[in-house]
Amino acid sequence: GENVEQHPSTLSVQEGDSAVIKCTYSDSASNYFPWYKQELGKRPQLIIDIRSNVGEKKDQRIAVTLNKTAKHFSLHITETQPEDSAVYFCAASMGSYIPTFGRGTSLIVHP
Amino acid sequence: GAGVSQSPSNKVTEKGKDVELRCDPISGHTALYWYRQSLGQGLEFLIYFQGNSAPDKSGLPSDRFSAERTGGSVSTLTIQRTQQEDSAVYLCASSSQAGSLNTEAFFGQGTRLTVV
Repeated sequence: GENVEQHPSTLSVQEGDSAVIKCTYSDSASNYFPWYKQELGKRPQLIIDIRSNVGEKKDQRIAVTLNKTAKHFSLHITETQPEDSAVYFCAASMGSYIPTFGRGTSLIVHP
Repeated sequence: GAGVSQSPSNKVTEKGKDVELRCDPISGHTALYWYRQSLGQGLEFLIYFQGNSAPDKSGLPSDRFSAERTGGSVSTLTIQRTQQEDSAVYLCASSSQAGSLNTEAFFGQGTRLTVV
């Protein structure tokens, strides 16, 4: 089955800095890669996703890049703000199958 | 409803008792997933329902865990003879899955289970 590794487990940055979270996956057939943000005590919510037919996708301050050859994808957050503090999960899935999640990255943005 | 609804939001139970957790997915969503999130941990897959197909139970940690989905809508996760290590937040998610493509999974707020 699919295996998703996510790094780092904790990331601490100063407000205004950029943050990068990286994930690798094992199944070359995976073609859908969502990222979820989970604020403390709340449910995970999708913030951005990418499919295997594109290499990069951007939405305001967040962007995701995908390298299919290397089987890794990354989340980039620019100009971080305290409200970006949360746990971020990457996931990978193939077709309509179950998303496999990474273990999460706790992002702390210091004002 | 407007989103995925789970009940109860919190459940404290004594070790050895059975518990039932309920998930009401978004209307029309054919896919339903149960995940478990232990303190500070990631999302551990438990079971997956897709339409009328047989569920994928490959993530259930033991035979004390079972789930059903009646009428393709509401799902119930049952844990028998609960153990302290079952303490976690149990998250349900649903998605529409357009054709063969995966789409966004919408999560419920979770049930926090504490076994004492």
